[in-house]
Amino acid sequence: AQTVTQSQPEMSVQEAETVTLSCTYDTSESDYYLFWYKQPPSRQMILVIRQEAYKQQNATENRFSVNFQKAAKSFSLKISDSQLGDAAMYFCAYQGAQKLVFGQGTRLTINP
Amino acid sequence: KAGVTQTPRYLIKTRGQQVTLSCSPISGHRSVSWYQQTPGQGLQFLFEYFSETQRNKGNFPGRFSGRQFSNSRSEMNVSTLELGDSALYLCASKRELGAPYEQYFGPGTRLTVT
Repeated sequence: AQTVTQSQPEMSVQEAETVTLSCTYDTSESDYYLFWYKQPPSRQMILVIRQEAYKQQNATENRFSVNFQKAAKSFSLKISDSQLGDAAMYFCAYQGAQKLVFGQGTRLTINP
Repeated sequence: KAGVTQTPRYLIKTRGQQVTLSCSPISGHRSVSWYQQTPGQGLQFLFEYFSETQRNKGNFPGRFSGRQFSNSRSEMNVSTLELGDSALYLCASKRELGAPYEQYFGPGTRLTVT
């Protein structure tokens, strides 16, 4: 079974600084997708970024980028120029042939 | 395009009762998945429906069931409620089954069992 591990339950960063959230996963599948979702206090789960496993190039979406290391099964999220609105729970998720599997989440606090 | 909608948003039930939650996917999306979110267990997959058929199922007891209608709307039912069923229930939709389609989530239904 696939597993996703987020080893940082909580992180904090100063506004305008850069922060990296870690995620590792375990799978025997060769074709899969990885996602980062953000869940603010409103509880609405929002897709931040996605990465196709067959692509070597790391995905980027504005201030959000990933460092995808397929051999190491690592998928970290970098947030540049952190803003107060980035404060939320961040979930790393794995999508293989079947269900979407989530990590336990990292609570990110932005200090003004 | 309207997002995923879930009704009701909040619900309080008594132990032993049953409850039905509803989810309307994004227009054109045919796959609907349900998740339970609790502080202790995190986000856990309940089941996925596609074309009115359950395609995947998580490790939940038979008290948890669901169905999907021809318009892709889905309902989830929990019978004989237990205190441990208190959770945020999230519904997500995507265009087709499997990867590469990302899921879009609704705002959730907060269920409290007393």
